[in-house]
Amino acid sequence: KNEVEQSPQNLTAQEGEFITINCSYSVGISALHWLQQHPGGGIVSLFMLSSGKKKHGRLIATINIQEKHSSLHITASHPRDSAVYICAVGTSGSRLTFGEGTQLTVNP
Amino acid sequence: GAVVSQHPSWVICKSGTSVKIECRSLDFQATTMFWYRQFPKQSLMLMATSNEGSKATYEQGVEKDKFLINHASLTLSTLTVTSAHPEDSSFYICRAKGRWDTEAFFGQGTRLTVV
Repeated sequence: KNEVEQSPQNLTAQEGEFITINCSYSVGISALHWLQQHPGGGIVSLFMLSSGKKKHGRLIATINIQEKHSSLHITASHPRDSAVYICAVGTSGSRLTFGEGTQLTVNP
Repeated sequence: GAVVSQHPSWVICKSGTSVKIECRSLDFQATTMFWYRQFPKQSLMLMATSNEGSKATYEQGVEKDKFLINHASLTLSTLTVTSAHPEDSSFYICRAKGRWDTEAFFGQGTRLTVV
């Protein structure tokens, strides 16, 4: 069992749909990161959170420390949101453990 | 947010040659640099961690003589893939962290193809 598990692995949506990607982890963490990786490979950090909820534009990230679970929501999805979304948990020494990613495709 | 500039973004080289990848922190001092490798459809895998002025700490299974990491200054770290082979073809990406920062920042990544 991976220390960080994401679901779903692949997600296809129509433009405008509300999207949820889930992340569960089994280790103690200092923080949880949501990352976005575009086809070219570059990675953008979307959120870093250790409790509660954060919102940035159409993106919302939540975390439940007791349940060791986080969700990334995208409201009013758009084709440009198509990317791989990666959950990563920070452990000691700023190390990150990565989930396998969720490939999101938003069709116009 | 902070900017980490990684070059080159892609490189093709012949087997047996060496390739150097640079990561620069443009607006902060990167006391710690993480180097990752990612094969297609797989997660990022940590290769090594380096602290400025110290030798890098390599993850199990990563050959330190093949993947040379230099972190001689607070704004520059380099990864040199020596005597590259086709199986070294991968996506390499750095992540830099300042001493007092709670967050680390990724470079843009380098796609290496060894032919």
